[in-house]
This record gives sequence, C-alpha cells and structure tokens, in this order.
Amino acid sequence: DTGVSQDPRHKITKRGQNVTFRCDPISEHNRLYWYRQTLGQGPEFLTYFQNEAQLEKSRLLSDRFSAERPKGSFSTLEIQRTEQGDSAMYLCASSLGGANVLTFGAGSRLTVL
Amino acid sequence: GIQVEQSPPDLILQEGANSTLRCNFSDSVNNLQWFHQNPWGQLINLFYIPSGTKQNGRLSATTVATERYSLLYISSSQTTDSGVYFCAVPDLSSGSARQLTFGSGTQLTVLP
Repeated sequence: DTGVSQDPRHKITKRGQNVTFRCDPISEHNRLYWYRQTLGQGPEFLTYFQNEAQLEKSRLLSDRFSAERPKGSFSTLEIQRTEQGDSAMYLCASSLGGANVLTFGAGSRLTVL
Repeated sequence: GIQVEQSPPDLILQEGANSTLRCNFSDSVNNLQWFHQNPWGQLINLFYIPSGTKQNGRLSATTVATERYSLLYISSSQTTDSGVYFCAVPDLSSGSARQLTFGSGTQLTVLP
C-alpha cells in the first residue's frame, strides 16, 4: 500500500494555458474523488468516480474542468484556459466500497500567473 | 446544502495541554470524518465516526448525531499535533452520500 500519489506536486502556469494533474489511488480502492482547496478554506468537492464511471460532478465545476479515470485505475484532471481564480491545491482521494472513508494524496498546488 | 461550523477557528496550546474541538452541522448525517492537515498540506484521516465514541491513542472523538455535533478531544498535546483539523459530513440533502462538505477548520498550534 503506497498511498494515494499525485503528480505534479507543484505547477506554475500562465493564464490561458491548459494543465493536467494525475492521481494514482490506492490499488484496491474503487472510488476516486477530486477536491479543491483554497487558502484558509476546507476542501471543496469537485467530482467522484466509481471504477471508471464518473458518477457525480459539483454544480460549481466549470466546463473548463474535465476528469477521466480510464480503466478504473489512475485519474486525470484537466483544466483548460486556466484563470487566476483556478489557483488552488487540487486534492485526490480514494476509498473502498462501503463506508466512505477517504484517504487523501499530498495534493497538486496550482499557481496561475 | 448542509452547513458545517467548526470552533474555535484558532487555538494555541502549550505542549502537554488538552483541548476539545467542536463541529456543528445543520442537517442529519450518516457519517462524519475528522481529518488533520499537517503544515505540509497532507490530509490524514483521523476518525470515521457516524455516532458514538472512538479512541485512538491520545485522540478521541464523539458524535451525537441526534444533536448534530461532534467533538474531537486531544490529550497531552505534542508539537506534532499542530496543523488544521477539519470535520466533514455528506450532504444528503443534495442526494449524494459521496460528496463530503468540509468545515473551515480549527488551526491548532502547539508550542514547545
């Protein structure tokens, strides 16, 4: 069990560029979540996968954001045409069916200049 | 959606002191989780506690679901306990048991 891995840990980009984050969940976990955290706030739900199916998306999730989980293993979160307001920590978590006990990765910090 | 309030927002303790952190939520829930976010940003799951009391070493948590609150108790605090403590609950009113709503956290600083 190597935990939840996220890559890259830090990303600095210019406004208007596209960025992609990767998450590798705990191998036996079938559920995967993306959250966003801004300074001084708690994490905010973005989207949720069960195996390869994206079952829920936050109403706050802009159409510039897209997430995939091909083959129900790793997941990617892409942000197109980044804006300064996208600057945040993007957190991935995974869980095993039954109780929704989340294990988080270390996060990917995005800075949009 | 569900509202989650944590108190106090900030807490400064001397090493060895005890503390109680509180989480109030506005609607019925079927689970509650406490997390610790260390100074490097890593979120660690401390407890999954829909009701009742659990203990893990110097930490214990109690959830009284009928009264819509949970308490996290830290005894004999250590400097490594510093960080932000979050509680999180599902927003069942939104129709999802998977979307956790987090409180704004309690920033704990333990001084040596």
